[in-house]
Amino acid sequence: EDKVVQSPLSLVVHEGDTVTLNCSYEVTNFRSLLWYKQEKKAPTFLFMLTSSGIEKKSGRLSSILDKKELFSILNITATQTGDSAIYLCAAFLLLLNNNDMRFGAGTRLTVKP
Amino acid sequence: NAGVTQTPKFRVLKTGQSMTLLCAQDMNHEYMYWYRQDPGMGLRLIHYSVGEGTTAKGEVPDGYNVSRLKKQNFLLGLESAAPSQTSVYFCASSYSSAPYEQYFGPGTRLTVT
Repeated sequence: EDKVVQSPLSLVVHEGDTVTLNCSYEVTNFRSLLWYKQEKKAPTFLFMLTSSGIEKKSGRLSSILDKKELFSILNITATQTGDSAIYLCAAFLLLLNNNDMRFGAGTRLTVKP
Repeated sequence: NAGVTQTPKFRVLKTGQSMTLLCAQDMNHEYMYWYRQDPGMGLRLIHYSVGEGTTAKGEVPDGYNVSRLKKQNFLLGLESAAPSQTSVYFCASSYSSAPYEQYFGPGTRLTVT
């Protein structure tokens, strides 16, 4: 059974802290790993990782994929209250007749001032 | 552009009642998706469509039906609602099958009592 597991489930930090969110996956037909940020409503896309060891970076956020150990991490440096959200990772599966995504349960990050 | 819109935003149903959730997009996207999001479960794909007149099952299709009669609309139907269908439902659309291009709607919170 395809499985995507995120840890921790929730995290409370103070502004300025650095956080690392984890995502491990056990899926068939893996193609890519995606990270989303979900604030009050719809998820918004952050990163897509397809190759091992290549860091993707956007401002204070960065992410990397390890296809040998089947995990990805999302780092946020110098956190701000606006980073408070649920962070979702998803494995994109490339199947014969369709494509599919398997989401993890998410990590709820709370950044306190 | 309104992007992806969902109607209604909230709904309370009694067990056994039926209803239809409407998703509309004005981006001329081919692909449309229905997800449900439950605490501790992440997002799970219910049904999706790769074009007008087509539908396909996702990870958790049981108890739901869908129709894509017009390219811009994707309807999700519950014929006989059950408490297990209490969830937040998200619609998404994309131009291609590439997952990072999915645009999500604001969600519909459904409670079945």
